[in-house]
Amino acid sequence: QKEVEQDPGPLSVPEGAIVSLNCTYSNSAFQYFMWYRQYSRKGPELLMYTYSSGNKEDGRFTAQVDKSSKYISLFIRDSQPSDSATYLCAMTGNTGGFKTIFGAGTRLFVKA
Amino acid sequence: DTEVTQTPKHLVMGMTNKKSLKCEQHMGHRAMYWYKQKAKKPPELMFVYSYEKLSINESVPSRFSPECPNSSLLNLHLHALQPEDSALYLCASSQGSAGDPHFGNGTRLTVT
Repeated sequence: QKEVEQDPGPLSVPEGAIVSLNCTYSNSAFQYFMWYRQYSRKGPELLMYTYSSGNKEDGRFTAQVDKSSKYISLFIRDSQPSDSATYLCAMTGNTGGFKTIFGAGTRLFVKA
Repeated sequence: DTEVTQTPKHLVMGMTNKKSLKCEQHMGHRAMYWYKQKAKKPPELMFVYSYEKLSINESVPSRFSPECPNSSLLNLHLHALQPEDSALYLCASSQGSAGDPHFGNGTRLTVT
């Protein structure tokens, strides 16, 4: 079993839809949770960074962490064609150690 | 544009060549990373420098040799690479050890 599971998709939605992206994990030591967006031929761009459980909102993006279920989500409201990219979840333990574990990435297509 | 700058953007090299990848960050981050990313896969950690000292080497073959001349610069020296080493090489930096790496746009390396 992988430490972090993420459905690679692809996920195709119409413009304006609410998108839900999810990851599950097995290591209860993870404390820091991140979502990255990666466009083709670019590096991953940090979208959201949260510590422990709870919600965090930034514009059209909301990140949720449920540590009791070992489940994290990213919601994108009013999705746009420019949101078409690969979304990677990532997480790090409290002891850090610099090792960020990435999910496989979900490819998202938003159709105009 | 990202705050982590990588050069060159593209590199084609033969198996007998020696080349170097360069990375620079001016965010005052104390940790710098090299990752390797194959198509449709998440980034894989190669090396981590913390306070200019090598902290992690993820059992990377010796044909890859990292160097951290100062807190803002990170190099990756390449020698006698194999075609399977062709990938996107990403540099990243972070303030501490508990995430959240900030990535450059990478060097797309092709080994012929």
